[in-house]
Amino acid sequence: EPEVTQTPSHQVTQMGQEVILRCVPISNHLYFYWYRQILGQKVEFLVSFYNNEISEKSEIFDDQFSVERPDGSNFTLKIRSTKLEDSAMYFCASTLTSESYEQYFGPGTRLTVT
Amino acid sequence: DAKTTQPTSMDCAEGRAANLPCNHSTISGNEYVYWYRQIHSQGPQYIIHGLKNNETNEMASLIITEDRKSSTLILPHATLRDTAVYYCIVRVPSGSSNTGKLIFGQGTTLQVKP
Repeated sequence: EPEVTQTPSHQVTQMGQEVILRCVPISNHLYFYWYRQILGQKVEFLVSFYNNEISEKSEIFDDQFSVERPDGSNFTLKIRSTKLEDSAMYFCASTLTSESYEQYFGPGTRLTVT
Repeated sequence: DAKTTQPTSMDCAEGRAANLPCNHSTISGNEYVYWYRQIHSQGPQYIIHGLKNNETNEMASLIITEDRKSSTLILPHATLRDTAVYYCIVRVPSGSSNTGKLIFGQGTTLQVKP
């Protein structure tokens, strides 16, 4: 069964450093998402991406964040200058079409900012 | 998207049916009810969705009241692997002026006990 993959599974970085989290969505999917989950808290929507542009972003997704689909397979989330409060689990998700009801989530990347 | 209310936690004996309630009294006519679950910090997993009719798939059944103000997710024979946080989400489908984002609440932590 096709699945969403994410790398790395765990990333440790120092405050102020840039990080790039990588996702490979399911190959024929067209809609892509990033969510985050701070330890012990709920899953929060960050951004949705369709047709090579951001279609919606949350208040969390400020100028420090950016997303990109540099080729036909990868979908990346970049944090330019990490803060301690960026420590969280980051989940990538994808859906097939605008009529899809099911989002497929990856296993997540645990980001630890020290 | 309409707001949902779920109990914080529930227990269920292994092999018995788990019935997880959700209130969504402000649901509008074109909003669907979706259920996802998250097993121990893994990525959320789609379970089932419905509009007004009861639905069943290989994982679960979804019972929606006639007035659509509440629903119940039923796991007919719960196993230890069903221990997870279960999220009830109400929204319009992707494509209907909606980018497809999912708004997660705190969900219900279901503990299946031997």
